[in-house]
Amino acid sequence: GQQVMQIPQYQHVQEGEDFTTYCNSSTTLSNIQWYKQRPGGHPVFLIQLVKSGEVKKQKRLTFQFGEAKKNSSLHITATQTTDVGTYFCAGQTDSWGKLQFGAGTQVVVTP
Amino acid sequence: SAVISQKPSRDICQRGTSLTIQCQVDSQVTMMFWYRQQPGQSLTLIATANQGSEATYESGFVIDKFPISRPNLTFSTLTVSNMSPEDSSIYLCSSATSSYNEQFFGPGTRLTVL
Repeated sequence: GQQVMQIPQYQHVQEGEDFTTYCNSSTTLSNIQWYKQRPGGHPVFLIQLVKSGEVKKQKRLTFQFGEAKKNSSLHITATQTTDVGTYFCAGQTDSWGKLQFGAGTQVVVTP
Repeated sequence: SAVISQKPSRDICQRGTSLTIQCQVDSQVTMMFWYRQQPGQSLTLIATANQGSEATYESGFVIDKFPISRPNLTFSTLTVSNMSPEDSSIYLCSSATSSYNEQFFGPGTRLTVL
């Protein structure tokens, strides 16, 4: 079955540093979504990527979808304490809306 | 974006009892989903609930244990039946306007079974 793998599972970042989290699927995806979950909160939608090779930016966040539509990455520049949380990628392949979530990358930021 | 509320926000229940979790969306949505999330873990889809049809359950989840209702386009319930401590988890509902659109999540219900 479809499997979405995400690494690293844990990322400790100094404030101001950059980091990247990676997502890989064993199956070609129709789209990939990224969510952020703050400690004690619920997942909040960040972005959706649909096209092969697509790159989208949201301020300090850059999202990429691989050419083969099997991998994706989230790169955050100049990390701030507000970036703390767990970032999940979620891939989708079939038509009835099932999202396959990755394990998540828990980000801890030290000042 | 949709705003979703869930009730209760948390509960502590005794083994063998049942709990019904309510999920209310502030707008009409085609699809609603129920997830389970253990602390520090990823989200596991329990079932998809579409109005006017039976819920579709994922592998490992059965209707007898997790009956779902979807009486209209803004509301759904998930019942956790005959609970055991292994059912202790956070239960999240979400909604989407279509199959490929983003999902909006409710705040979750933290369930503890003693």
